Amino acid sequence: KAGVTQTPRYLIKTRGQQVTLSCSPISGHRSVSWYQQTPGQGLQFLFEYFSETQRNKGNFPGRFSGRQFSNSRSEMNVSTLELGDSALYLCASRLDRDVKYGYTFGSGTRLTVV
Amino acid sequence: DQQVKQNSPSLSVQEGRISILNCDYTNSMFDYFLWYKKYPAEGPTFLISISSIKDKNEDGRFTVFLNKSAKHLSLHIVPSQPGDSAVYFCAASGLTGNQFYFGTGTSLTVIP
Repeated sequence: KAGVTQTPRYLIKTRGQQVTLSCSPISGHRSVSWYQQTPGQGLQFLFEYFSETQRNKGNFPGRFSGRQFSNSRSEMNVSTLELGDSALYLCASRLDRDVKYGYTFGSGTRLTVV
Repeated sequence: DQQVKQNSPSLSVQEGRISILNCDYTNSMFDYFLWYKKYPAEGPTFLISISSIKDKNEDGRFTVFLNKSAKHLSLHIVPSQPGDSAVYFCAASGLTGNQFYFGTGTSLTVIP
């Protein structure tokens, strides 16, 4: 069974630009979440989608947005990039009811803003 | 506001000995607690979980203990193996699991 796939793996962008990251969840998983990982901050929750609807959103500015498609694939977009947006962005999926098994994470997209 | 804290950034243990990783939380409404392991250049991998109605859960070499009154959980790895060297994150969520709060991680090094 294929895991969670995130593309691209690495990205370098210039301050002020925008970026779109893509995530393909495990087949059958309808819940997709996004997290930002930075040194010293651990994983910070961005948002969670289920059946194309955003169910929960973390404390990030409106420059961070996302969406989910009917096939459960998800994208997140960051507009007007800032240097502080440099991070590892992780996508995770799970069957909605299996909270105790947590999420299956992808390998992440490493975004560097210069 | 960090609702889940891992106060030890790093831990070194001899192979074969016990590794104990600690985690504290502030929100008494959390229902599920999970541990993840992360190798460099990979996403976190789910290790073990415990619900708030239990105080212990075991899975092979891994045992998680929950002390609700102290708002504290710990992960015990016995015996520790070099392949256990990784960063360990604890995470907590409410009943729906729609949002997990992660600690900042503890880097475990198991010395052969």
